[in-house]
Amino acid sequence: AQKITQTQPGMFVQEKEAVTLDCTYDTSDPSYGLFWYKQPSSGEMIFLIYQGSYDQQNATEGRYSLNFQKARKSANLVISASQLGDSAMYFCAMRGSYNTDKLIFGTGTRLQVFP
Amino acid sequence: DGGITQSPKYLFRKEGQNVTLSCEQNLNHDAMYWYRQDPGQGLRLIYYSQIVNDFQKGDIAEGYSVSREKKESFPLTVTSAQKNPTAFYLCASSMPWGSRSSGNTIYFGEGSWLTVV
Repeated sequence: AQKITQTQPGMFVQEKEAVTLDCTYDTSDPSYGLFWYKQPSSGEMIFLIYQGSYDQQNATEGRYSLNFQKARKSANLVISASQLGDSAMYFCAMRGSYNTDKLIFGTGTRLQVFP
Repeated sequence: DGGITQSPKYLFRKEGQNVTLSCEQNLNHDAMYWYRQDPGQGLRLIYYSQIVNDFQKGDIAEGYSVSREKKESFPLTVTSAQKNPTAFYLCASSMPWGSRSSGNTIYFGEGSWLTVV
């Protein structure tokens, strides 16, 4: 079975500092993808970054990077130079080749950025 | 601009009524999904469709129904059989796994808030 675990219900970070949001996963799929989404208070689910299980390099998108450690089954999101607008819920999710129709979500981490 | 449009943004339902949430996408995606989110929780899959005229139940399909008559549209009906329908509903779409055109990413609409009154 596939499972995503986010162990940090809430995180605080000061503006302009970097923050790491943790995500571990479990799957038996030989090929899978890991995603991070941001959900502000308005509710929309905004795609941030994607990492494929066979990608050799860690994914980066602007201030977002994904620290992918396949052997440890972790896919942590790193946000550099935090901004007040980064305050939101962040969800880690997975889609696998054996279960491509589903996006399995973690329970989320609420990030609050303070001045 | 390409994207996923959900309507209405806010919807109130009386006890015993059926209501339908609209979802339209112009991304030319084959697959479409409906998720439910309860306050402070993650997303749970209600229904999904990989191709036109075909759909499958997700983890919490009871009390819901869908149709997929067009590639662009995947409406969700919340029936009176759904005992606790108050929630936030998100529609999503994607290309099939392994597609090169847009990767494996699943994109979401802005969501619909449903409240039972």
